[in-house]
Amino acid sequence: GENVEQHPSTLSVQEGDSAVIKCTYSDSASNYFPWYKQELGKRPQLIIDIRSNVGEKKDQRIAVTLNKTAKHFSLHITETQPEDSAVYFCAAPHTNAGKSTFGDGTTLTVKP
Amino acid sequence: ETGVTQTPRHLVMGMTNKKSLKCEQHLGHNAMYWYKQSAKKPLELMFVYNFKEQTENNSVPSRFSPECPNSSHLFLHLHTLQPEDSALYLCASSQTGAGYTFGSGTRLTVV
Repeated sequence: GENVEQHPSTLSVQEGDSAVIKCTYSDSASNYFPWYKQELGKRPQLIIDIRSNVGEKKDQRIAVTLNKTAKHFSLHITETQPEDSAVYFCAAPHTNAGKSTFGDGTTLTVKP
Repeated sequence: ETGVTQTPRHLVMGMTNKKSLKCEQHLGHNAMYWYKQSAKKPLELMFVYNFKEQTENNSVPSRFSPECPNSSHLFLHLHTLQPEDSALYLCASSQTGAGYTFGSGTRLTVV
């Protein structure tokens, strides 16, 4: 099955700085890599995703990069703001199994 | 609501009680999931249903019993739970191979 490792488990940055969270996966056939943001007391929400036919995808201040050879993908947040403070989860699918394995999450704190 | 609705939002139950959690999605998704979220394991898969057929039971104790009567509804029946089962139970739905939409969760406390 798929094994997903996420690092770091906690990350504290100053407002305006960049933040990077990295995930590695084990199933080389995986082809879809989403990132979720969970604010305190709320549900996880999909914020960006990437498919294996591209290496990078951007949406305003957030971007995801994928290295299929090394089997890792990363979330990049630029110009961080206090409202970016949340727990971020990566996920990778089990091929043909209709389910995903999630990383253990990264708690991001953006200090004003 | 974002399209996945869970009820109740909070539930306190004794160890001898029987209760059910309900999840409903109106997004036309073909897959539905139950996840358990706790401090010990942030997002732990419990059950997967594809086109209302169970395709995954992630070694979940039999005191948790899922039911999927159709592709829009998912239940989790609970009986004789233990205090360590206290957690946030999240339902999600998706199209196969796409991102999940989560419900708001049911905060369960077993006393």
